[in-house]
Amino acid sequence: QKEVEQDPGPLSVPEGAIVSLNCTYSNSAFQYFMWYRQYSRKGPELLMYTYSSGNKEDGRFTAQVDKSSKYISLFIRDSQPSDSATYLCAMKSSSGSARQLTFGSGTQLTVLP
Amino acid sequence: DADVTQTPRNRITKTGKRIMLECSQTKGHDRMYWYRQDPGLGLRLIYYSFDVKDINKGEISDGYSVSRQAQAKFSLSLESAIPNQTALYFCATSESSGRVYNEQFFGPGTRLTVL
Repeated sequence: QKEVEQDPGPLSVPEGAIVSLNCTYSNSAFQYFMWYRQYSRKGPELLMYTYSSGNKEDGRFTAQVDKSSKYISLFIRDSQPSDSATYLCAMKSSSGSARQLTFGSGTQLTVLP
Repeated sequence: DADVTQTPRNRITKTGKRIMLECSQTKGHDRMYWYRQDPGLGLRLIYYSFDVKDINKGEISDGYSVSRQAQAKFSLSLESAIPNQTALYFCATSESSGRVYNEQFFGPGTRLTVL
């Protein structure tokens, strides 16, 4: 079983829809949770970063972490065609020896005009 | 100019050939990473380096080697390429600020095909 599971999609929604992207994980030591966005033929770029449980909002994007359920989500409100990309969740423990990020496999999102 | 550059951007090679992928950065970061990306598997860490003299194996280092020639340069080598090393390869960099998490900045990727 992978440490981080992410629905690969593809997910296709109309412009203006609310999008929910999700990841589950098995390692209870994960404390830092990231969402990266990757456009076609580009490298990933950090979109949101949260520590431990709770919500974080940045414009149209909201990241949620539920550590009790080992579940994280990224919500996109009023989705735009420019949001079409692959979204990768990533996680990291707080252990000083754990220097690596563990990534989900990515969800491919298309927002149709 | 891009902060993290990778060369070549695309490469087709044959089984058994030695291949080197190069990464350069102008961000002044100490930490550099090599990942590969495969459909359905996401990004997996091959090697990482926290400074010129500190190189560490990642999750999938077998069949790969690296060289950190300078703070700004980190190369990935495939000594004898095999078809299952066909993938998209990314270099990334991050600061060494003392925080537990430092954002990683990725290059544009190298698409490698091994025939």
